Amino acid sequence: QVQMQESGPGLVKPSETLSLTCTVSGGSISNFYWSWIRQPPGKGLEWIGYIYYSGSTNYNPSLKSRVTISVDTSKNQFSLKLSSVTAADTAVYYCARGGGSFLNWLDPWGQGTLVTVSS
Amino acid sequence: QSVLTQPPSASGTPGQRVTISCSGSSSNIGSYYVYWYQHLPGKAPKLLIYRNNQRPSGVPDRFSGSKSVTSASLAISGLRSEDEADYYCAAWDDSLSGHWVFGGGTKLTVL
Repeated sequence: QVQMQESGPGLVKPSETLSLTCTVSGGSISNFYWSWIRQPPGKGLEWIGYIYYSGSTNYNPSLKSRVTISVDTSKNQFSLKLSSVTAADTAVYYCARGGGSFLNWLDPWGQGTLVTVSS
Repeated sequence: QSVLTQPPSASGTPGQRVTISCSGSSSNIGSYYVYWYQHLPGKAPKLLIYRNNQRPSGVPDRFSGSKSVTSASLAISGLRSEDEADYYCAAWDDSLSGHWVFGGGTKLTVL
């Protein structure tokens, strides 16, 4: 059974770059799409973007200018970088399998990791 | 402001049937499948319904989904205390380059 675990700093300073990694276990990262989703405190879910194992990506238009998602198939990991962060980027960040199209739903998800943007 | 609109809260007593609505537009629900997730605090969101009304293996048949034009609903029958959670709808949206959109979530309380 595929499982995902998010990891990375829990505190990032304003204007810096948020970096997170999702490690996939129990299955190969190959041949699948992989997504990042976030949830600010007290708010709903927001899809950030996806990456295909081959490296092709698609990002939420609202975040596109600041987001980079990459993949390392040798480590069975994919990563998120969000630049120029502000307090509005404080959220629980989730990784999930899927998201490549309307037929490629998001499942399963990791438990999420809280990232706080503060000086 | 979420793209899909859900009521912020819903409630029911054990054994009751409750429904949670999700409203969208022609660029998302009107054109694509709806998905539902159950989210317990501190846990990974769990897929409850896919392709409008399909249940993954292991999801009880107390949970059912439906869709009509640009709206969808999640129904939970025989309500149980362990159903108390946040519920989110999701759909693909084909505006711009295509992306996933979610509802703001509905907090279900079992009284």
